[in-house]
Amino acid sequence: EAAVTQSPRSKVAVTGGKVTLSCHQTNNHDYMYWYRQDTGHGLRLIHYSYVADSTEKGDIPDGYKASRPSQENFSLILELASLSQTAVYFCASSGTGNYAEQFFGPGTRLTVL
Amino acid sequence: GDSVTQTEGLVTLTEGLPVMLNCTYQSTYSPFLFWYVQHLNEAPKLLLKSFTDNKRPEHQGFHATLHKSSSSFHLQKSSAQLSDSALYYCALSDNYGNEKITFGAGTKLTIKP
Repeated sequence: EAAVTQSPRSKVAVTGGKVTLSCHQTNNHDYMYWYRQDTGHGLRLIHYSYVADSTEKGDIPDGYKASRPSQENFSLILELASLSQTAVYFCASSGTGNYAEQFFGPGTRLTVL
Repeated sequence: GDSVTQTEGLVTLTEGLPVMLNCTYQSTYSPFLFWYVQHLNEAPKLLLKSFTDNKRPEHQGFHATLHKSSSSFHLQKSSAQLSDSALYYCALSDNYGNEKITFGAGTKLTIKP
């Protein structure tokens, strides 16, 4: 069974503070993704990566950075957290090929006050 | 760019009645289509995906047919169960050599006794 874990599972941050969300996968997948989920907007892609030490911008990258130090780990960094970044964040991994299923982590609920 | 439209944000049905969730898409290339399901407080997971031939994918009583002429991939089930209550996402991969998936806004399905 594919396994993607995220930490922390929930976090309260202050406006202007730095937030780091971590993701770890044991699927031996090349691709990893960060999404945010908001009611009415569905899942929107922030950043993704297909190899260690390289990241790509997704559809809504502004205000976010990503880091992929190894195949297994993928972090999302909010340098200056803002109220509008309150959301649930999901990490996912997949193998190669357009048919590849994405396996999601349990999500991190981030509240910025 | 690619886009996925799910016209119903909320669908409420009585148990035993048929289910149909709408999904239409726009894509420059010939895409692959997916349905993901997310139960309350869980991560999204793959429900079914389109085939390259004319086979109709089915899973857990759900099925969907890719109609390229109308750019649609509606999700159907003949008889709804209480356990089908969940958030359903239609998504596409553009078949252009990258692994990005574009998700629709989602349809929240509630089944009542």
